Amino acid sequence: DAKTTQPPSMDCAEGRAANLPCNHSTISGNEYVYWYRQIHSQGPQYIIHGLKNNETNEMASLIITEDRKSSTLILPHATLRDTAVYYCIVGNQAGTALIFGKGTTLSVSS
Amino acid sequence: GAVVSQHPSRVICKSGTSVKIECRSLDFQATTMFWYRQFPKQSLMLMATSNEGSKATYEQGVEKDKFLINHASLTLSTLTVTSAHPEDSSFYICSARRTGLTEAFFGQGTRLTVV
Repeated sequence: DAKTTQPPSMDCAEGRAANLPCNHSTISGNEYVYWYRQIHSQGPQYIIHGLKNNETNEMASLIITEDRKSSTLILPHATLRDTAVYYCIVGNQAGTALIFGKGTTLSVSS
Repeated sequence: GAVVSQHPSRVICKSGTSVKIECRSLDFQATTMFWYRQFPKQSLMLMATSNEGSKATYEQGVEKDKFLINHASLTLSTLTVTSAHPEDSSFYICSARRTGLTEAFFGQGTRLTVV
């Protein structure tokens, strides 16, 4: 079973920041938090991941709480092309599969 | 980032026939690849873990004789759906993790329709 809880859906206005929350209260010390997104009829696309510290790349920022029990993915300036299902996944670095939950459907509108 | 490629992207086959789906890691070697299945409006479900040079490990409820997995090289894993039936129609996705990197990369998926 997935180890994360996400809201089923969120809406965001184009140009505004999209903040997607994720709860992972049972995360282990060696487990990372990964974020992927899936646009309709495509394979999941890697966005960002982190262990303890906040992370930022060209796509998004990841804010992880100090106790690591929750995190927030931030898309700073959402566009229509960011409409997708966003998955928050907890997993370790070893060669094991990522287990997907139901994710959050983000709808960006103009 | 690393690239994982699947072929074909779409396939339609007749009931009772077999279909082979290829998954390639284009710019890295992958000792382990993963196969997922996704039904409409549902999340990805892990089917099996493909290990180079050894037998695949299947998740509970996945028929190993129906979904044949071969991982003959460090860059190629294949999934063969044998004696396909309409209920096997789904979106099949492969994934690979590059040694030394924590993130996994996914293929673009294969839409299988059995008629």
